[in-house]
Amino acid sequence: AQSVTQLGSHVSVSEGALVLLRCNYSSSVPPYLFWYVQYPNQGLQLLLKYTSAATLVKGINGFEAEFKKSETSFHLTKPSAHMSDAAEYFCAVSGTETGANNLFFGTGTRLTVIP
Amino acid sequence: KAGVTQTPRYLIKTRGQQVTLSCSPISGHRSVSWYQQTPGQGLQFLFEYFSETQRNKGNFPGRFSGRQFSNSRSEMNVSTLELGDSALYLCASSSRGWGGELFFGEGSRLTVL
Repeated sequence: AQSVTQLGSHVSVSEGALVLLRCNYSSSVPPYLFWYVQYPNQGLQLLLKYTSAATLVKGINGFEAEFKKSETSFHLTKPSAHMSDAAEYFCAVSGTETGANNLFFGTGTRLTVIP
Repeated sequence: KAGVTQTPRYLIKTRGQQVTLSCSPISGHRSVSWYQQTPGQGLQFLFEYFSETQRNKGNFPGRFSGRQFSNSRSEMNVSTLELGDSALYLCASSSRGWGGELFFGEGSRLTVL
């Protein structure tokens, strides 16, 4: 069975500082991994996805994530935080075992950017 | 290309009533899935439809049901509403049969009084 664990339900960074949001996965098959962002009163927007190609994945808005099989991690980073990055971020793993499009989401990390 | 459209965006119901939510996927997407989002339980998978067939279902009671039409539009229905059904219901579509990224709508926020 697949699952993801997000460490830290709340993360605060200063504007211009490094953003690091942690995600560890559990999967019995090679996983497809995703990061989504959710702004207040909106749906989820895909930031990036890992599908077993390059281990360093670049996404939108300057975010990137590195797939580390040895650490079962897929942490999300951005070199310099912007006020507009304040949102909730979700890591997810695809239910590839079932051959269906269901994702298993982490509990989310709320990012606050301090001016 | 238009995104995933969900209607209604907001609705208020009372316990015991039923509700139907609608989702129009991105054109050409045959997979539609539904998620429930609550502060306590987070994002939970409800069910997924592909070409009018339910392929997978999450751990929800039978009060939660759905269907997909030949044009890929989907509806979900919740009968005999309970207070705990208050949530944001998100619909997502995908162009792939599996393993693909999901494109989400803005959700239908249901409040049960």
